[in-house]
Amino acid sequence: GESVGLHLPTLSVQEGDNSIINCAYSNSASDYFIWYKQESGKGPQFIIDIRSNMDKRQGQRVTVLLNKTVKHLSLQIAATQPGDSAVYFCAERGTGGFKTIFGAGTRLFVKA
Amino acid sequence: GAVVSQHPSWVICKSGTSVKIECRSLDFQATTMFWYRQFPKQSLMLMATSNEGSKATYEQGVEKDKFLINHASLTLSTLTVTSAHPEDSSFYICSAPTFSMNTEAFFGQGTRLTVV
Repeated sequence: GESVGLHLPTLSVQEGDNSIINCAYSNSASDYFIWYKQESGKGPQFIIDIRSNMDKRQGQRVTVLLNKTVKHLSLQIAATQPGDSAVYFCAERGTGGFKTIFGAGTRLFVKA
Repeated sequence: GAVVSQHPSWVICKSGTSVKIECRSLDFQATTMFWYRQFPKQSLMLMATSNEGSKATYEQGVEKDKFLINHASLTLSTLTVTSAHPEDSSFYICSAPTFSMNTEAFFGQGTRLTVV
């Protein structure tokens, strides 16, 4: 069945360093991918998205890379700040639908 | 931007009672909304798709008679947990997609349900 998973459950980085969070997906038919940030006790917050016809997209301090060949997604956060500490989920959506499936999540700790 | 609001933010109920959670789209119409459940330190698991004016579509393993979904208007979907038990204690989150299939969905702030 469909699944979106992550390589690392936790990631600890020093403030100011760059963070890379990885995600593997299994549904080759997925055509839209999203990264969400979730702080404790809150709903997911949209960070950045990418469509399957792209391999890179940049936002403010964040970059998402998509490698369809190996079905891999990554989120890069530049100059990580304490406020970036949260759980990050990748999510995917199949062709022609709104249903969004979430991966397992990675907890990011930023050390001051 | 688009906002999705859930109410209540948290609720404590006695075992055997029912609890209703509301999900509202505040500045856009949502013909489709989604309900997720999230246990501690786990990911969001999709429970069901709420369809305005028609029956909800439930994911495999989710009891439709226990988790009643009503989507009576274009801005409101409700999830009722019937005959709640302690194992139903969880974080329930709704979402609503906007604009098109290739734009992100917006999420409510979640409802923490504790059944005692």
